[in-house]
Amino acid sequence: DTAVSQTPKYLVTQMGNDKSIKCEQNLGHDTMYWYKQDSKKFLKIMFSYNNKELIINETVPNRFSPKSPDKAHLNLHINSLELGDSAVYFCASSQESGARAGGYTFGSGTRLTVV
Amino acid sequence: DQQVKQNSPSLSVQEGRISILNCDYTNSMFDYFLWYKKYPAEGPTFLISISSIKDKNEDGRFTVFLNKSAKHLSLHIVPSQPGDSAVYFCAANGYALNFGKGTSLLVTP
Repeated sequence: DTAVSQTPKYLVTQMGNDKSIKCEQNLGHDTMYWYKQDSKKFLKIMFSYNNKELIINETVPNRFSPKSPDKAHLNLHINSLELGDSAVYFCASSQESGARAGGYTFGSGTRLTVV
Repeated sequence: DQQVKQNSPSLSVQEGRISILNCDYTNSMFDYFLWYKKYPAEGPTFLISISSIKDKNEDGRFTVFLNKSAKHLSLHIVPSQPGDSAVYFCAANGYALNFGKGTSLLVTP
């Protein structure tokens, strides 16, 4: 039974389109995150929600909008996709914001390719 | 500005020998440091962590050492096994996890 699941696993789309990536966790965690791994393999935080409330919003274009309908779900919607948005997007969750010793539980990633 | 740095993109070690992966950080306010392991097409999985008030934490074959004065930590894997071949990310806990760029470890038979 997958702890953090993301859909879809692969997404190929044309420039200018709007797309969404869904994430669900069944661990009962309070905090969820979106990370982006770019072509240089650098994992960078994008957003963090704690119990449906946005707590971290890094310098991300307004075209990216996270939505958390409940604390088990954190979806990522991207408008007007650009070539530079191509990356692997990882969803993660943790028991509490910051997750000191225990770390985060990551999903398997969504590889987004914009053509 | 990258606050966690892994300067070795790759490392190759023979099976049974020790693997040492290094990590440097710049922010002295980090209170926890973590290592993650990542296989292709999977998400990173938590491996081991260390509090900033300790200098060593051990879990089976994995040991993490922290040198606060040098702002340096390392992960030792002894003995290394072929199944350890993966990308290892160092991370530090600020308001969110800050990751290094990873080191790809290859353990050869």
